[in-house]
Amino acid sequence: NAGVTQTPKFRILKIGQSMTLQCTQDMNHNYMYWYRQDPGMGLKLIYYSVGAGITDKGEVPNGYNVSRSTTEDFPLRLELAAPSQTSVYFCASRRTGLYNEQFFGPGTRLTVL
Amino acid sequence: AQTVTQSQPEMSVQEAETVTLSCTYDTSESDYYLFWYKQPPSRQMILVIRQEAYKQQNATENRFSVNFQKAAKSFSLKISDSQLGDAAMYFCALIQGAQKLVFGQGTRLTINP
Repeated sequence: NAGVTQTPKFRILKIGQSMTLQCTQDMNHNYMYWYRQDPGMGLKLIYYSVGAGITDKGEVPNGYNVSRSTTEDFPLRLELAAPSQTSVYFCASRRTGLYNEQFFGPGTRLTVL
Repeated sequence: AQTVTQSQPEMSVQEAETVTLSCTYDTSESDYYLFWYKQPPSRQMILVIRQEAYKQQNATENRFSVNFQKAAKSFSLKISDSQLGDAAMYFCALIQGAQKLVFGQGTRLTINP
């Protein structure tokens, strides 16, 4: 099992550019999440999905979009990048059931200049 | 809305001694789960310990234990026999019926040799 994988590991964008952060899990988990972590802060939820075809907004969804066409993949799209989106982005997944832990990917460090 | 608060931005402890990290939370639900995650410099999020709200018994995992005070909405983490590898950011988190994990701001733990 590779677990949760994210690509790319690092990226620098110019203001106004767009990009997609990729996330894939091979554990057949229903739930998937995208978080952002600003320096010295905790993780904030951007979007989450409870299964293929179902997504919902988290705490900080503005400027982002997601889709979930398969169980395995949950890409995060940034449209018109802004300096405020400079952050580390984490993808996570877990099985159904509140008790079950979230498994996190290694993160993507994004800088918008 | 649920919130998680960690009031200690930084803590330090001598190697082999014991340290306690504080966490308080607020939720209107009766069924929820609490977690402590560790984030070393590698950025990887690692589950340390979890606690079901309906259980009165405090969870223990080797050198890690919690003091769960449901009425006070407090969930502290005790690390015994601290080791250099314990140095990391520690995040307290809460999950309930909305299926979303809410994180505290984190506590940076330094281990002094």
